[in-house]
Amino acid sequence: KAGVTQTPRYLIKTRGQQVTLSCSPISGHRSVSWYQQTPGQGLQFLFEYFSETQRNKGNFPGRFSGRQFSNSRSEMNVSTLELGDSALYLCASSLYMGQGALVNYGYTFGSGTRLTVV
Amino acid sequence: GNSVTQMEGPVTLSEEAFLTINCTYTATGYPSLFWYVQYPGEGLQLLLKATKADDKGSNKGFEATYRKETTSFHLEKGSVQVSDSAVYFCALITLFQKLVFGTGTRLLVSP
Repeated sequence: KAGVTQTPRYLIKTRGQQVTLSCSPISGHRSVSWYQQTPGQGLQFLFEYFSETQRNKGNFPGRFSGRQFSNSRSEMNVSTLELGDSALYLCASSLYMGQGALVNYGYTFGSGTRLTVV
Repeated sequence: GNSVTQMEGPVTLSEEAFLTINCTYTATGYPSLFWYVQYPGEGLQLLLKATKADDKGSNKGFEATYRKETTSFHLEKGSVQVSDSAVYFCALITLFQKLVFGTGTRLLVSP
């Protein structure tokens, strides 16, 4: 079965612009999370969505936002881009079977979108 | 808060050597523990997991045992291959459903 698909794979944007990244989870997976990976900060949690609702949010400014659609596909948006937003953005999906069950499955990650802000 | 500490890399080994990458954690509640691997230019792949104390996760010759008394989840492999060269991340998740990662350990295996 298809894995987690992220588009685009690479993106170059200019400071001040905004960007939208897309993530299609594995079929049947209803939980989608986003992570930012940088050499300096490592992997940092951005937010998590389940059934179109944001359940968790990391410690990022309001310029970072996301949403999830009824088919579980998710998008994240970064407005007013800064040089420090250059990173690999990873999306992960998981099968959710009820409170507590998620911890038994782990997450499947996509290949990421590499964003470069110039 | 929850956190994961991994040994600094890079870890440099010759092919067929024994591998250990140390991982310790701090968490409230009873986390599930994971090892992920990242090959160059790719996302993260789940390598193995353990969901409760004394569980042993294993996959592709890699093993890790959930040790609650020492809050550790060390990754081991008896004989590494050049193709194992990658960055390895230890991670935990609690009922708050947020993966917390260590800083990653780069493994370099030479022929």
